[in-house]
Amino acid sequence: AQTVTQSQPEMSVQEAETVTLSCTYDTSENNYYLFWYKQPPSRQMILVIRQEAYKQQNATENRFSVNFQKAAKSFSLKISDSQLGDTAMYFCAFMNPNFGNEKLTFGTGTRLTIIP
Amino acid sequence: DAGVIQSPRHEVTEMGQEVTLRCKPISGHDYLFWYRQTMMRGLELLIYFNNNVPIDDSGMPEDRFSAKMPNASFSTLKIQPSEPRDSAVYFCASSFMLSVAGANVLTFGAGSRLTVL
Repeated sequence: AQTVTQSQPEMSVQEAETVTLSCTYDTSENNYYLFWYKQPPSRQMILVIRQEAYKQQNATENRFSVNFQKAAKSFSLKISDSQLGDTAMYFCAFMNPNFGNEKLTFGTGTRLTIIP
Repeated sequence: DAGVIQSPRHEVTEMGQEVTLRCKPISGHDYLFWYRQTMMRGLELLIYFNNNVPIDDSGMPEDRFSAKMPNASFSTLKIQPSEPRDSAVYFCASSFMLSVAGANVLTFGAGSRLTVL
């Protein structure tokens, strides 16, 4: 079974600073997907960024980028120029796209607070 | 598209009562997932469907929980009888699984917060 570990329960940074959230996972699969989801106080789960394991290039979405280290099974999220609206819980998630396993396994989350 | 629609947003009930949570997935999505979120256990998958057929229900906690998907546009999660430990936020999510851009991404509903007194 796949496991996802987020070792930072809480983090806080000043507005406009850069912050990196860590995530490690364990799998024996070679083909899989990794995700970061954001959950603001409204509790809506919002996709931040997605990475396919077969792609060596790190995914980026505006101020959000990942550092995907497949051999180390590491998938960290970097938020540049942090904004107050980035305050949320952030969940790392893993998916094996093979039939019968197409479900997201989530980490325990990191609560990020952006300080004005 | 209106996204994944869940109802009710909030439900407060008494122990022993039946609770039914509803979900309308995004049109064209062939997968539907039910997750439960609690402080103690985080986000747990309860069950998921592919083309209205349950694929994995190993996360359903006990026989008090049941889920159905009678058609591609509607699913229910029922708890009967409800207990205080069932209090949680229940999320429905849908997706499609193809090797194309945008695939394999779960879109979540706003969640249903259940409180069992």
